[in-house]
Amino acid sequence: KNEVEQSPQNLTAQEGEFITINCSYSVGISALHWLQQHPGGGIVSLFMLSSGKKKHGRLIATINIQEKHSSLHITASHPRDSAVYICAVSSLNNNDMRFGAGTRLTVKP
Amino acid sequence: DSGVTQTPKHLITATGQRVTLRCSPRSGDLSVYWYQQSLDQGLQFLIQYYNGEERAKGNILERFSAQQFPDLHSELNLSSLELGDSALYFCASSSDLGNIQYFGAGTRLSVL
Repeated sequence: KNEVEQSPQNLTAQEGEFITINCSYSVGISALHWLQQHPGGGIVSLFMLSSGKKKHGRLIATINIQEKHSSLHITASHPRDSAVYICAVSSLNNNDMRFGAGTRLTVKP
Repeated sequence: DSGVTQTPKHLITATGQRVTLRCSPRSGDLSVYWYQQSLDQGLQFLIQYYNGEERAKGNILERFSAQQFPDLHSELNLSSLELGDSALYFCASSSDLGNIQYFGAGTRLSVL
């Protein structure tokens, strides 16, 4: 079993829909990261969080440390949100990062 | 533009060869991270440097080595290359340990 599990693997939505991507982890962490990888390959850090909730524009990330679970929400989705979203955790013990397999999101107009 | 510069963008080489990938972090960032992304294994953390010193090590092969220089740029050296080393190699930087990371555009390595 991977230390970082994401669901779903693939997600197709219609423009305007509310989207949720989930991430569960099994190791102690110092922080959890949400990354966005565009079709061209570039990676952008969306959020880094260790507790609670963060919001940036239409994106919201939450984390529940006790349940070892995080969610990434996208409100009013748009075709330009189409990308792979990757959850990663910074390990508590030695600061290395462990990655989920990613969720491929396609938003159709 | 993240401010992190990676060169070269593409590299094609043969098995057994040695290559060097270069990363210039964002101005003022002390921490540099290297990642490998292959089709079958996804993103993997290789190594992290902070202000010239190695801080964390992930799944980095013994054939690979890295360093961070006094001007804070970093190089990842890959030797005795194998077909399986073909991947995208990303560098990221952050201002301090535990801060948000900014990714370079990556170097696509093809080993033929």
